[in-house]
Amino acid sequence: NAGVMQNPRHLVRRRGQEARLRCSPMKGHSHVYWYRQLPEEGLKFMVYLQKENIIDESGMPKERFSAEFPKEGPSILRIQQVVRGDSAAYFCASSPASSYNEQFFGPGTRLTVL
Amino acid sequence: KNEVEQSPQNLTAQEGEFITINCSYSVGISALHWLQQHPGGGIVSLFMLSSGKKKHGRLIATINIQEKHSSLHITASHPRDSAVYICAVSDSGNTPLVFGKGTRLSVIA
Repeated sequence: NAGVMQNPRHLVRRRGQEARLRCSPMKGHSHVYWYRQLPEEGLKFMVYLQKENIIDESGMPKERFSAEFPKEGPSILRIQQVVRGDSAAYFCASSPASSYNEQFFGPGTRLTVL
Repeated sequence: KNEVEQSPQNLTAQEGEFITINCSYSVGISALHWLQQHPGGGIVSLFMLSSGKKKHGRLIATINIQEKHSSLHITASHPRDSAVYICAVSDSGNTPLVFGKGTRLSVIA
């Protein structure tokens, strides 16, 4: 049973470009969480999704950031018009519907904005 | 909103030493997680606990619900234990995790 998968593992973008980060949850998991870890800072919650629904996006910046978890395919975190301050590690975690507390983390995507 | 405090922020130990990392939180929780992150690496979940004590190999995690406090112990520490250890809590079953800032552990041979 494969774990949570994220790709790409490393992503380099120039200011103003778009970044797309993908997260494939563990098999059977229908809940996905995105977290951001800025350099030298702790992890911060961004958004919580179930299939085709955004449950809680209270941690998402109001502009340029969006997330989706379609019925088929991975969850995607999209950052438009990236700025240097978006450089961070982005982690996703998934959990089964029966146990929200049992979150399994992916390896993360390290985004560098030049 | 829960606030999570970890101590110490940084810890250096000699190989073989017994290590304790502490975590306190401000509001009652449904579960507490201990996570491990190696430099430049991903995050591994070590423990999830809501009461009592759990043990896995040389790692032991305890939680005191009344005192809102948890400890992570490492016995017979080894350089490969060098990592950042992160405490995270969930207020209820369907809320996101709130994280501490982590404890950076270096174990020297």
